[in-house]
Amino acid sequence: EPEVTQTPSHQVTQMGQEVILRCVPISNHLYFYWYRQILGQKVEFLVSFYNNEISEKSEIFDDQFSVERPDGSNFTLKIRSTKLEDSAMYFCASSERGSWGYTFGSGTRLTVV
Amino acid sequence: GQNIDQPTEMTATEGAIVQINCTYQTSGFNGLFWYQQHAGEAPTFLSYNVLDGLEEKGRFSSFLSRSKGYSYLLLKELQMKDSASYLCAVGIYNQGGKLIFGQGTELSVKP
Repeated sequence: EPEVTQTPSHQVTQMGQEVILRCVPISNHLYFYWYRQILGQKVEFLVSFYNNEISEKSEIFDDQFSVERPDGSNFTLKIRSTKLEDSAMYFCASSERGSWGYTFGSGTRLTVV
Repeated sequence: GQNIDQPTEMTATEGAIVQINCTYQTSGFNGLFWYQQHAGEAPTFLSYNVLDGLEEKGRFSSFLSRSKGYSYLLLKELQMKDSASYLCAVGIYNQGGKLIFGQGTELSVKP
C-alpha cells in the first residue's frame, strides 16, 4: 500500500535554530498538508498546498513557517527560528481529492530545547 | 469559530459494543471523518459520512445528522487492539480540503 514518508522521525533542536521537516507524499496525490499535535492535545491543521501554492493556512502558520515543493516528490516544512512551544509531532499528509482519501505520514517528533 | 466536542475517555469490555459521540459547529462542512490513533502514531482513516444516515464498514459504523451537527462511531465486537484514541474530524473542501479535529476520545477496552 502506498505510504507517505517523513524524515527524520525525531529531531532535537536548540531554540532559535531553523529546522526543515521532510515529506514524500504519495506520487499521484495532488493535495499536501502539514498538521501538528502537541503532546496530549488535538491534531491541528497548519497548511494545505495544491497546484504549487498554499491554498489555506491556519493562524498557527505565521511568518516563521514556510512550505516548499522543491521537486516532483518532496514536500518540506521549514520553521525559521524555533520556539519551545513548537515542540510537537508534525504530520504530513496527502490526498487525491481534498478532505477525502487522506494518508498521513508516521510523523516527525520535534523537540525544541 | 470551529468547535468539535467528543468525550475525553471511555471504557468498554472486550466483545461489547461502544458508541462514541461527536458534536460539531464549524464554518463549513463537506464531510465528517473518523480516525483511529494509537499513542505516538499517525491517525488512520476509519469511516466518513457526507450525507445523513448510517455507513457500515465491518465492525465499524458511523452515523451523521447534519441538521443536529451530530455524529457517532459505533464499534462492535470490541477487541483489545481497539484500545486507542478515536478522532472526529470535519472536512472543509473549499478551505484547502483541511480537516478540523476534535480532541479525541481515549477508548480503553478491558478483558
